[in-house]
Amino acid sequence: GAGVSQSPSNKVTEKGKDVELRCDPISGHTALYWYRQSLGQGLEFLIYFQGNSAPDKSGLPSDRFSAERTGGSVSTLTIQRTQQEDSAVYLCASALGGGQPQHFGDGTRLSIL
Amino acid sequence: QKEVEQDPGPLSVPEGAIVSLNCTYSNSAFQYFMWYRQYSRKGPELLMYTYSSGNKEDGRFTAQVDKSSKYISLFIRDSQPSDSATYLCAIDSGGSNYKLTFGKGTLLTVNP
Repeated sequence: GAGVSQSPSNKVTEKGKDVELRCDPISGHTALYWYRQSLGQGLEFLIYFQGNSAPDKSGLPSDRFSAERTGGSVSTLTIQRTQQEDSAVYLCASALGGGQPQHFGDGTRLSIL
Repeated sequence: QKEVEQDPGPLSVPEGAIVSLNCTYSNSAFQYFMWYRQYSRKGPELLMYTYSSGNKEDGRFTAQVDKSSKYISLFIRDSQPSDSATYLCAIDSGGSNYKLTFGKGTLLTVNP
């Protein structure tokens, strides 16, 4: 079946602009995660959604980062007033539930000029 | 001390070799252990998932967990050029958010 789908696959933008990254999880998966993968830092947890519950935002690096999940399915990660240090690959993962194996999309490669 | 340590390599082996990849972790509360494979410009692909000490085998892959030593391993038998990728260990603490803590990854090249 279809895997986790992320769009856009690549995004180049100027410093100070806002960006929105989209994630379509695997159908039926109630848990959704965002991670960031940057050179030298590896994969870092950003945020966790479980169904329609309030998200766990404990990994968000600053208040410029926010995310929402509509209808317990599609999620959007928004970065406001982008900075060069935001350049990274943003990965989305979904799972049948919390504690179940997480399956990743191919990510959005974000470059801030 | 980082929560999960993984030798970044790179590791280069001839085709057919047995490959051993390893991670150590510091938090004894960690409960679930995974290995992911990541090809260039792709997302991580789940290879192995286990939650108990001991071995788990799937085809050419064997995952080994030693909770007493806080040490996990992935063995690849009869390695193939298509196994060339970055291998990431990931550990789930079982906390309320089930987030994964990843090693930095080991870059493996299998030479034909």
